[in-house]
Amino acid sequence: QSVLTQPPSASGTPGQMVTISCSGSSSNIGSNYVYWYQQLPGTAPKLLIYRNNQRPSGVPDRFSGSKSGTSASLAISGLRSEDEADYYCAGWDDSLSGYVFGTGTKVTVL
Amino acid sequence: QVQLQESGPGLVKPSETLSLTCSVSGYSISSGYFWGWIRQPPGKGLEWVGSIAHNGATYYNPSLKSRVTLSGDTSKNHFSLKLTFVTAADTAVYFCASSGNIDEKALDYWGQGTLVTVSS
Repeated sequence: QSVLTQPPSASGTPGQMVTISCSGSSSNIGSNYVYWYQQLPGTAPKLLIYRNNQRPSGVPDRFSGSKSGTSASLAISGLRSEDEADYYCAGWDDSLSGYVFGTGTKVTVL
Repeated sequence: QVQLQESGPGLVKPSETLSLTCSVSGYSISSGYFWGWIRQPPGKGLEWVGSIAHNGATYYNPSLKSRVTLSGDTSKNHFSLKLTFVTAADTAVYFCASSGNIDEKALDYWGQGTLVTVSS
């Protein structure tokens, strides 16, 4: 019942580019920043992107974020086996007055 | 470097209260940042439970607001979660996390998570 919708899965071969979408509304993505998190199996999530397209120190530039209107995207270029993980978009929702996570996308490296 | 560590019972009976503590090292919770809880039911996605600011202001997930209380103890440098009247639907890995280092809502430090099972 998340207000941010992501495709359940995405896949690619090593070296390819994978793009994950995150669809929201005017009360969340449309009026606030988008954040992206990577969760490797059995571990805590890790911040990948903040303020739509900014990378924290240490995050490879293979990861990039963008936002347009009420949607956002995370692109992973030069896909590597260690990128196999679950990815979540997130942000503040003004209508709910709360932080919301996307439904999550499982990325598989073929 | 901020480090967070969750602690608390791994098993809670239905209708009772779930209580967890997040111990913080490397930063004083009264100095700044927001301190929050996120949970993840087995095999499912992430859900924000709530956050407490360094000044004690609290923010709760509207769907849990009637059952959740967050508090901070600056003398012990930890913050806590209480969730009342739990059911099996509250079974999840509970993570504590902080935001505010690079952005107010960027959760950039996380604990390892602790599994809480609600069962009789």
